[in-house]
Amino acid sequence: SQELEQSPQSLIVQEGKNLTINCTSSKTLYGLYWYKQKYGEGLIFLMMLQKGGEEKSHEKITAKLDEKKQQSSLHITASQPSHAGIYLCGADSNSGNTPLVFGKGTRLSVIA
Amino acid sequence: NAGVTQTPKFRILKIGQSMTLQCTQDMNHNYMYWYRQDPGMGLKLIYYSVGAGITDKGEVPNGYNVSRSTTEDFPLRLELAAPSQTSVYFCASRPPGGASGYTFGSGTRLTVV
Repeated sequence: SQELEQSPQSLIVQEGKNLTINCTSSKTLYGLYWYKQKYGEGLIFLMMLQKGGEEKSHEKITAKLDEKKQQSSLHITASQPSHAGIYLCGADSNSGNTPLVFGKGTRLSVIA
Repeated sequence: NAGVTQTPKFRILKIGQSMTLQCTQDMNHNYMYWYRQDPGMGLKLIYYSVGAGITDKGEVPNGYNVSRSTTEDFPLRLELAAPSQTSVYFCASRPPGGASGYTFGSGTRLTVV
């Protein structure tokens, strides 16, 4: 079965600093999804990557999928308190027809 | 649109009691899912459905049952609640194809004592 490993598990950054979260898959990815979760709330869809080498941006958040399609990185530029939360990667490995498998999440805190 | 609505938001059950977690979506999505989230453990798939009348087990189905009689509703039934079922439960849905991602409900926080 597919497994996703996220690193780091938690991260504390000063407001205005850049940061990167990684997600590594045990199998080749068909699609890689990034979600954000605030405490006590549901998951908010950020973006989906499908093609090797693909890069997408949403406001100050950029995600990339490597050429071999087994790793993705999420980069936040000039972090703000509103970026705080848990970031989860999810993936499917079979043409989008299988339920997503999720990593354990990265907890991000942004301090002034 | 309301999206995915889950009720109740919080519930405390005694060991051995039963309950149904409700999930309703108004987006006419075919695919629906139930996940549980334990602290530091990400999301684990309990059951999913690809359309009305069709359900399938996920990674952790023991102790749960589901039904999908309509496109909109996907209730999750807990029989004989156990402390190991203490968790946050999320329902999600998506249309065919994956580009738009899953839409998640706000979750049900369940404690079994």
